[in-house]
Amino acid sequence: GAVVSQHPSWVICKSGTSVKIECRSLDFQATTMFWYRQFPKQSLMLMATSNEGSKATYEQGVEKDKFLINHASLTLSTLTVTSAHPEDSSFYICSAPLGLAGGDDSTDTQYFGPGTRLTVL
Amino acid sequence: AQTVTQSQPEMSVQEAETVTLSCTYDTSENNYYLFWYKQPPSRQMILVIRQEAYKQQNATENRFSVNFQKAAKSFSLKISDSQLGDTAMYFCAFSGTYKYIFGTGTRLKVLA
Repeated sequence: GAVVSQHPSWVICKSGTSVKIECRSLDFQATTMFWYRQFPKQSLMLMATSNEGSKATYEQGVEKDKFLINHASLTLSTLTVTSAHPEDSSFYICSAPLGLAGGDDSTDTQYFGPGTRLTVL
Repeated sequence: AQTVTQSQPEMSVQEAETVTLSCTYDTSENNYYLFWYKQPPSRQMILVIRQEAYKQQNATENRFSVNFQKAAKSFSLKISDSQLGDTAMYFCAFSGTYKYIFGTGTRLKVLA
């Protein structure tokens, strides 16, 4: 159990275009999901918290108009990188929390998707 | 603000040997959770072990165990009988009020 998928696993796009990345919790529901960015050989940097039915919460320094997040259902969150530029090239990872009781709690363990490698030419 | 520090950027260990990865953290909270995640070359983050701060007993998962010292704010990971498949980046993470805070990671290489 506790499987999180991401699609696509990798994407190459031209500068100025938009790219959508999907994150799905396959066998559990998640009212909250998290989006991270990871640069090569570095740690994960939290970008935003995706909330089902409400607006996402962005971390300081993350442009919310550039990184659009939509939490459409209890199993799906999407991250859209708008007007992508080469500096947006990175590895993007999502996660969803699951507690021992199967609920969604702030202290739950996070389960991660396999990540999406974005390359902007 | 909480911080997580992993002071060993890289480590290596011979196959079948034991290795300990260090992690220290800083927080003013009393109730929190600590985690170790493994990120192999595939870059999939895999949960290795989880520790609740209110539990004094150290968590254990097969060959993986932790030494949790709450007063010292230390949370080290011990890997026994190291295997080649343990080669990966290991991240220590703190979770207090909702979000994870990750350390900078330790790159572990298991040598044949």
